[in-house]
Amino acid sequence: ETGVTQTPRHLVMGMTNKKSLKCEQHLGHNAMYWYKQSAKKPLELMFVYNFKEQTENNSVPSRFSPECPNSSHLFLHLHTLQPEDSALYLCASSQGQSKSYEQYFGPGTRLTVT
Amino acid sequence: DQQVKQNSPSLSVQEGRISILNCDYTNSMFDYFLWYKKYPAEGPTFLISISSIKDKNEDGRFTVFLNKSAKHLSLHIVPSQPGDSAVYFCAASANYGGSQGNLIFGKGTKLSVKP
Repeated sequence: ETGVTQTPRHLVMGMTNKKSLKCEQHLGHNAMYWYKQSAKKPLELMFVYNFKEQTENNSVPSRFSPECPNSSHLFLHLHTLQPEDSALYLCASSQGQSKSYEQYFGPGTRLTVT
Repeated sequence: DQQVKQNSPSLSVQEGRISILNCDYTNSMFDYFLWYKKYPAEGPTFLISISSIKDKNEDGRFTVFLNKSAKHLSLHIVPSQPGDSAVYFCAASANYGGSQGNLIFGKGTKLSVKP
């Protein structure tokens, strides 16, 4: 695998479920990002990890819980989501947060909350 | 309030003609601008960028123009090809004390190039 991969590509979950999204980058980067893309809205930055440390949390509700065990992997743990959380969730990476303008994106996970 | 605005949600162009996608920004601290292209079921991919010290950057069929006084940038695609049909996102970044800040994205413009 090359680049940035995300699994699953599609996820349907009920509001009481717990699920996790996974992102893996094969680029040797040190910064990883979670974005949310809702219909007719710009990409919204959710979390940033730089060298495995969370450096930004853009007022994201606690029902979204990120985890970055190493520089290559990033998870987004989901629990008790709401229907308005249905969106495309994109992961990205860059060499470091100082080079956040050179981000490489994964294909995204299309999440539907029922 | 949106700092990066793409006011045209869609654009349709004939193959071979010029496509012009526009982007406006409000934050005068932005000093680096990028265009990303996104096909369905794929993540955005970097297309072209421009630093605020320039007013034009060209890469093959793609040219980005920056008008700092108007806080406006545009992406020109000449000639347009059906394979260019995608959603184009404008993004901007500001430099804070030597470190480039996070990307701020617009909503995107869906380009359709008709054969």
